[in-house]
Amino acid sequence: AQSVSQHNHHVILSEAASLELGCNYSYGGTVNLFWYVQYPGQHLQLLLKYFSGDPLVKGIKGFEAEFIKSKFSFNLRKPSVQWSDTAEYFCAVKGNYGQNFVFGPGTRLSVLP
Amino acid sequence: KAGVTQTPRYLIKTRGQQVTLSCSPISGHRSVSWYQQTPGQGLQFLFEYFSETQRNKGNFPGRFSGRQFSNSRSEMNVSTLELGDSALYLCASSLDRGWNSPLHFGNGTRLTVT
Repeated sequence: AQSVSQHNHHVILSEAASLELGCNYSYGGTVNLFWYVQYPGQHLQLLLKYFSGDPLVKGIKGFEAEFIKSKFSFNLRKPSVQWSDTAEYFCAVKGNYGQNFVFGPGTRLSVLP
Repeated sequence: KAGVTQTPRYLIKTRGQQVTLSCSPISGHRSVSWYQQTPGQGLQFLFEYFSETQRNKGNFPGRFSGRQFSNSRSEMNVSTLELGDSALYLCASSLDRGWNSPLHFGNGTRLTVT
């Protein structure tokens, strides 16, 4: 069965600090990987996705993620966070054959102004 | 293009009652999935519908059921409500069931069971 783990439950950073949120998945076949963000009071939105090709993918708002197949990881990064990045971040995986999305437990990011 | 619409936004029910939640997907999207979101459990998959057929089902009791109509709109029903059913219920639609179709989420229905 697929599963997704996220390293941190709650991360607190100051503005301009660099961000890295860990995500590891467990799945035996080809996977497609996603990061979603949920800003306070808003719906979940897609930040970025990886299907194949260049393992470094860029998303919206300056976010990027790197797929490392050997480590079953898909970590999210941003060089310099802003107060507006305060949100909950979810990593998700989906297989290639009609499986449903599986989400990690989420990481809450608080950016202090 | 309108996003995923869920109604109602808030519901308060008492134990033992039943509830029906509604979801209208993005126009043209044929797959609808439902998730339960709670602070301790994150997003737990309930079920997925495509072409009016349930394609995947999560590990929830039979009290949780759903359906999809010919216009892709979907409903989920929870019978004999329990306190532990209090959660945010999220609906998400996607173009199809393909591996490259991301989910688009609605704002959710917050259900409180007293």
